[in-house]
Parts: sequence; C-alpha cells; structure tokens
Amino acid sequence: GDSVTQMEGPVTLSEEAFLTINCTYTATGYPSLFWYVQYPGEGLQLLLKATKADDKGSNKGFEATYRKETTSFHLEKGSVQVSDSAVYFCALSTGYALNFGKGTSLLVTP
Amino acid sequence: NAGVTQTPKFQVLKTGQSMTLQCAQDMNHNSMYWYRQDPGMGLRLIYYSASEGTTDKGEVPNGYNVSRLNKREFSLRLESAAPSQTSVYFCASSELGALNEQYFGPGTRLTVT
Repeated sequence: GDSVTQMEGPVTLSEEAFLTINCTYTATGYPSLFWYVQYPGEGLQLLLKATKADDKGSNKGFEATYRKETTSFHLEKGSVQVSDSAVYFCALSTGYALNFGKGTSLLVTP
Repeated sequence: NAGVTQTPKFQVLKTGQSMTLQCAQDMNHNSMYWYRQDPGMGLRLIYYSASEGTTDKGEVPNGYNVSRLNKREFSLRLESAAPSQTSVYFCASSELGALNEQYFGPGTRLTVT
C-alpha cells in the first residue's frame, strides 16, 4: 500500500541554520505530495504541496521538489527562525485520503 | 469564518463509557475526515466522508462509528471506550477529496481510564 517515510527527529538547529527534512514515499499511481506543519497545541496546516513530478512547492521560505526518480519530497529552508519550531508531516494522496509520515519535530534555538 | 470547529477540547472517560465527538465546518466543503494522532505514529485515518451522504472506513475504524449529519457536520462516536482509544482526535475538511488542501480543527484530547 501507499506509505510515507520521513526522517526521525527531534531535529535541533540554531537560528539561521539550513534545514533539510527527508521524505520518501511508496505509491501506486501518481500521488500528490504535501508538507503539513503542526505548531504546539494546534491542528495541522498545509505548508506546501506538489501535484506532479518536478513540481516545486514553496511557502514561507520553505521549498520541496517532487522527485519521481528518487520517490522523494524533501523539505528545505535556507535560514530557520525560532518561530519555525513545530512538527512537520510529509503526506501523500492518490484520492480521497491522505497518508501521513510519522512527523519530524524541529526545535530552533536562538 | 470559524473554519473547522471541534467539541469538546478535552474529555476523560472510563472504560466502557460512550461519547460523541462533534465536528463542524463553515467552508462549504464536500469532504470530511476523522484522524487520530498518537505519539510516534503520525496521523491515522479513522473514517472519512467523501461527500454528504457517504462514509467510508479508513486505516483504523474498529471501535468507532461516524455520522455525516449534513454537509457541515461529521461526528465520531465511541460506543464502548477502551484505553487504547486514548489519543488526540482531529477532524478535517476539504473541497472534494484529499488532492485538495485539508483544513484541520484544533483537536480533542481524549483519555480513557
């Protein structure tokens, strides 16, 4: 079945450091790929998405490129801020349901 | 717009008790979902309703029932709560299907003792 694997956390970075959170997927068909973010005590919010191979999703300085050849959708940000501390979820969909990875906790320290 | 609202925010149940978690959205979305979130497990889909009048099982439906009351409301019922159902429950909605952005409620933290 469809599944998502993302790097385990927690990830701790200093402010202004470069961020990469790895995400790979297994799917039949042609999934859409998403990154959701969950701030403490809140529900999930869509951060970015890509619907076909080679698409790049971007939002708030975060980027991820849909790589069909490596079945990956890694999240990157050039310079993280303390306010980026949250849990990040990679997800895929081929229809009516989202399959989520287990989440990666990010802590950014001043 | 309130978006997706859930009630209650917190609940403690004893084993065997029943309860209904309520969810409503004001975005005129067709599709609604119930997930549970457990530490180290990510979010797992319990049930979803692709459109008003339909419901389908997700990955972990055992011990739950749902009702799509109308286009706005989608409730989740635990008939006989078990400690394994201790979790945070999230409701979400989207325009039609999961290829569109899902909007999440703030969650219900349920503890079953």
